[in-house]
Amino acid sequence: ILNVEQSPQSLHVQEGDSTNFTCSFPSSNFYALHWYRWETAKSPEALFVMTLNGDEKKKGRISATLNTKEGYSYLYIKGSQPEDSATYLCAFNDYKLSFGAGTTVTVRA
Amino acid sequence: ETGVTQTPRHLVMGMTNKKSLKCEQHLGHNAMYWYKQSAKKPLELMFVYSLEERVENNSVPSRFSPECPNSSHLFLHLHTLQPEDSALYLCASSQERGLGEAFFGQGTRLTVV
Repeated sequence: ILNVEQSPQSLHVQEGDSTNFTCSFPSSNFYALHWYRWETAKSPEALFVMTLNGDEKKKGRISATLNTKEGYSYLYIKGSQPEDSATYLCAFNDYKLSFGAGTTVTVRA
Repeated sequence: ETGVTQTPRHLVMGMTNKKSLKCEQHLGHNAMYWYKQSAKKPLELMFVYSLEERVENNSVPSRFSPECPNSSHLFLHLHTLQPEDSALYLCASSQERGLGEAFFGQGTRLTVV
């Protein structure tokens, strides 16, 4: 069982503020790192699939960076909005996805 | 709508019952997965199918029995479950095993009484 850690477990953000959180994973035998957003009563949806050290990906106000040598990835949300409230999951891909426990983000209006 | 459909969405069953969960995708994907999420735990991979062949079974008790009759359908047959098996069961698919993003269904919320 691979150790994929996410921190913090939860955070509250004021609307308009920016925030970021971390995913750490084994740095050996790296293939890919996935980020998913999981809103209440919906399915997890993929945000990013990252494969290269130094990768930076962006989708709207959400971006992610990847450091495979030290085994971590950051997810950033710029100018948080209430619709960003969700649990954000990262998953280490070594031909199967091993998930972290997620960071639950609550954006207060 | 992710293209992966699970039924039923909710299921309550007794410990002596037999029931099945169904998952369907028409995305043309060759890999399908069953995940379990228990309260306050990460998603746990249960089974992986690639081209209708089971390629991974993560030490799941035999009271859970998967079936993949074709690349579009995946079942999870349940019998003599325990209350601790109550959880959210998620199905997912991807283009190939380990390749590309996973597309998830909305899950079946299972309660064993």
